[in-house]
Amino acid sequence: DVKVTQSSRYLVKRTGEKVFLECVQDMDHENMFWYRQDPGLGLRLIYFSYDVKMKEKGDIPEGYSVSREKKERFSLILESASTNQTSMYLCASKNYDGEDNSYEQYFGPGTRLTVT
Amino acid sequence: AQSVTQLGSHVSVSEGALVLLRCNYSSSVPPYLFWYVQYPNQGLQLLLKYTSAATLVKGINGFEAEFKKSETSFHLTKPSAHMSDAAEYFCAVSPSGAGSYQLTFGKGTKLSVIP
Repeated sequence: DVKVTQSSRYLVKRTGEKVFLECVQDMDHENMFWYRQDPGLGLRLIYFSYDVKMKEKGDIPEGYSVSREKKERFSLILESASTNQTSMYLCASKNYDGEDNSYEQYFGPGTRLTVT
Repeated sequence: AQSVTQLGSHVSVSEGALVLLRCNYSSSVPPYLFWYVQYPNQGLQLLLKYTSAATLVKGINGFEAEFKKSETSFHLTKPSAHMSDAAEYFCAVSPSGAGSYQLTFGKGTKLSVIP
């Protein structure tokens, strides 16, 4: 079974703090993703990484950065947390399905971040 | 460019009734289409996916979806709702091919099942 784990289920931080959200996958997947999920907006892609030390901006990268020093670990960093970054953050990793040349994204349980 | 529209942010059905969750997509290239389910306080789990083979796709937990190119739709159905189906459902689209990185999600439909 593929496992994607996130370091915290719930996190409360103060405005201006630097926040690290950690994600680890155990299936040797090359591609990893960070999304944020807000009610009525669905999931929006923040950043993704297609290999170690490689990253690409998603749809809403402002206010965030990422780090991928090892293949299994992908970190999301909020340099200076703000209240509008209060949200659910979901990490995912992606495999390759050789049977039909497609893929599947596997999601972690999420981190609910509150910035006060 | 691609996008997904899920009709209805909330859907309620009686236990044993048909479940129909609607998804329409827009894509400038042949798409892959996905349905994910999210149970309370959990991450997303793949229900089923369309990858240009059979247009009727069967997934887990008795769900299925039919790809209709002429209608640009990929609606999710289940013949008989169970209480355990209460969750939020997300439709997603990406360009076809395993090399694609961008998966675009709809805003979600919350399904309630009434006993």
